[in-house]
Amino acid sequence: QVQLQQSGAELAKPGSSVKISCKASGYTFTSYDISWIKQTTGQGLEYIGYINTGSGGTYYNEKFKGKATLTVDKSSSTAFMQLSSLTPEDTAVYYCARGYGYTYWGQGVMVTVSS
Amino acid sequence: DVVLTQTPSTLSATIGQSVSISCRSSQGLLDSDGDTYLNWFLQRPGQSPQLLIYSVSNLESGVPNRFSGSGSETDFTLKISGVEAEDLGLYYCMQTTHAPLTFGGGTKLELK
Repeated sequence: QVQLQQSGAELAKPGSSVKISCKASGYTFTSYDISWIKQTTGQGLEYIGYINTGSGGTYYNEKFKGKATLTVDKSSSTAFMQLSSLTPEDTAVYYCARGYGYTYWGQGVMVTVSS
Repeated sequence: DVVLTQTPSTLSATIGQSVSISCRSSQGLLDSDGDTYLNWFLQRPGQSPQLLIYSVSNLESGVPNRFSGSGSETDFTLKISGVEAEDLGLYYCMQTTHAPLTFGGGTKLELK
């Protein structure tokens, strides 16, 4: 069955970076893009962007350019998102989701930015 | 960016009651390919969002048929015909017609 397994919760200091992962299984990894979505209590759900898992090509929501960097490792069927120059406003749950259908989501990663 | 406005923000219902959630878009969502890319999700407490409806009115596989979607251009509705306990949670509409993809602010369905 299709699964997207995300890495564990992160506690980071302001100004630092974190890299979270999304490991896919149960399907051909390179057949679907991986999208990333941010969820906060205040802002709700926000679309960060997606990566073409075959070519590595990326699309970023303008709001997240310079904040998020999407990469992929085809050998391990894993997508990554690095968040840089962290501020408390980056505290959120981050989800990965498969393709344009958004049928399959990871379980989410809680990233907490605090000094 | 396209703004999706959901109403109400909170909905109180009894089991068996039929309810509707509205999602209004700041721009028309009819794509040049003729499809309208408006989806509905349910997020139960502590879980990831679950796709219920895609392209306005298409029921995702495995989703009970008490859920239905309707609408066009800028006005869309999700209806639950006979709320069950497992339906409680946050409902979101999402559009993928215009980049960037955007979500509504959410509607919380709770027990009265």
